[in-house]
Amino acid sequence: DQQVKQNSPSLSVQEGRISILNCDYTNSMFDYFLWYKKYPAEGPTFLISISSIKDKNEDGRFTVFLNKSAKHLSLHIVPSQPGDSAVYFCAASDGSGGSNYKLTFGKGTLLTVNP
Amino acid sequence: KAGVTQTPRYLIKTRGQQVTLSCSPISGHRSVSWYQQTPGQGLQFLFEYFSETQRNKGNFPGRFSGRQFSNSRSEMNVSTLELGDSALYLCASSLTGDRGQPQHFGDGTRLSIL
Repeated sequence: DQQVKQNSPSLSVQEGRISILNCDYTNSMFDYFLWYKKYPAEGPTFLISISSIKDKNEDGRFTVFLNKSAKHLSLHIVPSQPGDSAVYFCAASDGSGGSNYKLTFGKGTLLTVNP
Repeated sequence: KAGVTQTPRYLIKTRGQQVTLSCSPISGHRSVSWYQQTPGQGLQFLFEYFSETQRNKGNFPGRFSGRQFSNSRSEMNVSTLELGDSALYLCASSLTGDRGQPQHFGDGTRLSIL
């Protein structure tokens, strides 16, 4: 049972345009969400996060939107740059076990930004 | 500031053997988590350690175990290796594992089982 789903395995956009990566979740107990970027042969790199008490969080070119009623979040990258080409993972946490947490990941979306 | 360091980067083993992977967290980080990444299942949580104690465990068989030392370094052990254990094993650290602290990942150990 996949609790975090990234339904688009790949996405291709032109440099300078907006990239929108989507993520859906099924576990209503998830209340903290993160996006990671991964280049080949490297570990995931943290990009941006959002708590369920917010519906938007922005950091430079990256904005994450959360729609709790739809159990959906999205990552917007504006403007997209060729260096953004990577696999993007959506992850969620439900705070089980007290202050510690484990992350449940989607399977990733490969973003290709064409010059 | 040095990142999360995982050794070795690549490892080849045969079925039935055991293997130990090592992870050195970012200096000052006391929470260490381990994940397995495979093409079919994606990134899956194995376990998390804090102050030498396992606080959280994923749905993996008992062949997968770990430990954490007093300096926060962690090791993961897999016994009686199976072909399906071929994967990228990622270690991540954070200050205390509290929510709101992003986990910082190492570059992983690529384990291949022949």
